[in-house]
Amino acid sequence: NAGVTQTPKFQVLKTGQSMTLQCAQDMNHEYMSWYRQDPGMGLRLIHYSVGAGITDQGEVPNGYNVSRSTTEDFPLRLLSAAPSQTSVYFCASSYSPSSGGYTFGSGTRLTVV
Amino acid sequence: AQSVTQLDSHVSVSEGTPVLLRCNYSSSYSPSLFWYVQHPNKGLQLLLKYTSAATLVKGINGFEAEFKKSETSFHLTKPSAHMSDAAEYFCVVSPSGNTGKLIFGQGTTLQVKP
Repeated sequence: NAGVTQTPKFQVLKTGQSMTLQCAQDMNHEYMSWYRQDPGMGLRLIHYSVGAGITDQGEVPNGYNVSRSTTEDFPLRLLSAAPSQTSVYFCASSYSPSSGGYTFGSGTRLTVV
Repeated sequence: AQSVTQLDSHVSVSEGTPVLLRCNYSSSYSPSLFWYVQHPNKGLQLLLKYTSAATLVKGINGFEAEFKKSETSFHLTKPSAHMSDAAEYFCVVSPSGNTGKLIFGQGTTLQVKP
């Protein structure tokens, strides 16, 4: 099994550009989440989903959109990139967050110039 | 509201000596608690989890954590540090029930000196 696959691994954007970070999992997990990691701040939840067709906002949702049309995929869209969105982004999935924890992807390092 | 506080941002130990990484949590209900490890430029890996069974939890690579409800703590320990343990460690709480959310502490960087 591939687990949680994130693409791309690295990306440089200009301010104002848009892009989509891809996330796919092959474990049939219902729960999926997007986090951003910034130095000294741990990981902060951007958006999450508890199943196909269901999404909700996390702690830092502004500037990001998500959709969940299939169980496998959970893309994160940056609408108009800003330097404040420079970060490392992690996608994660779980069959049961309270008992099993999450499986994390390897991350996407995004720089906005 | 739930929260997690990791009491040390940086811990330095010598190889072969014990490791203690401290974590306190705040939760209105019985939470699930986790420790994750992140090696440089890598994703996060689950070390161990507490889900209201035994209060002493054993994880991978010789790590353990003890859930103490009276102290609202979930400290991570290892009897003898290895050079490969150098990494960042995150204490994480999952609120009661499957809300889909995880709340992360700010992380503790473990340095292991030869």
